[in-house]
Amino acid sequence: DADVTQTPRNRITKTGKRIMLECSQTKGHDRMYWYRQDPGLGLRLIYYSFDVKDINKGEISDGYSVSRQAQAKFSLSLESAIPNQTALYFCATQPGTSLEEQYFGPGTRLTVT
Amino acid sequence: AQSVTQPDIHITVSEGASLELRCNYSYGATPYLFWYVQSPGQGLQLLLKYFSGDTLVQGIKGFEAEFKRSQSSFNLRKPSVHWSDAAEYFCAVSRRNSGGSNYKLTFGKGTLLTVNP
Repeated sequence: DADVTQTPRNRITKTGKRIMLECSQTKGHDRMYWYRQDPGLGLRLIYYSFDVKDINKGEISDGYSVSRQAQAKFSLSLESAIPNQTALYFCATQPGTSLEEQYFGPGTRLTVT
Repeated sequence: AQSVTQPDIHITVSEGASLELRCNYSYGATPYLFWYVQSPGQGLQLLLKYFSGDTLVQGIKGFEAEFKRSQSSFNLRKPSVHWSDAAEYFCAVSRRNSGGSNYKLTFGKGTLLTVNP
């Protein structure tokens, strides 16, 4: 089974709808991240969390919110989706206490019409 | 603020040829540097990382990268490219917190590699 899972993998929604993307991990990592990927722009950080009680904004947090329900779960919400939030969204995890890379989930492709 | 520049948006090489993907970074301290690869429809996989020590870093799939502080570069190389190397490649730099660990990756915009038979 994959260590970092994202649900759904694909989603089409309409402008103005609320949508939640979920990320779960079995790696036991403290840190979790949400990124969005747009063609030609690379990945940009939306939110990150160092533990259940610690949530931080990234460089493009406007229009998004997150919830860290448990060490293993980190959800990203779009309260009122708009078309320019159409993108590929990645969750990543990282151990909290050592020099380690981030481990990425498979991504969620979101289309807002 | 940290930043990463990948000057080449798209590179095409022939199978068996050598490859070098360029990466330049801007960061006020000793950087932590990474190369990730994204195959079509897939997530990101780490190729290699540099934290300290030997400036020539070996990674998976026959890739290596060299950290050059004087040039603020971390170029990725492979001596002989295989068709399966066709993918998008991302260079990234992360910040160091007060405890010395790394966090908050900043990515370059990526280089798309096409491999001709």
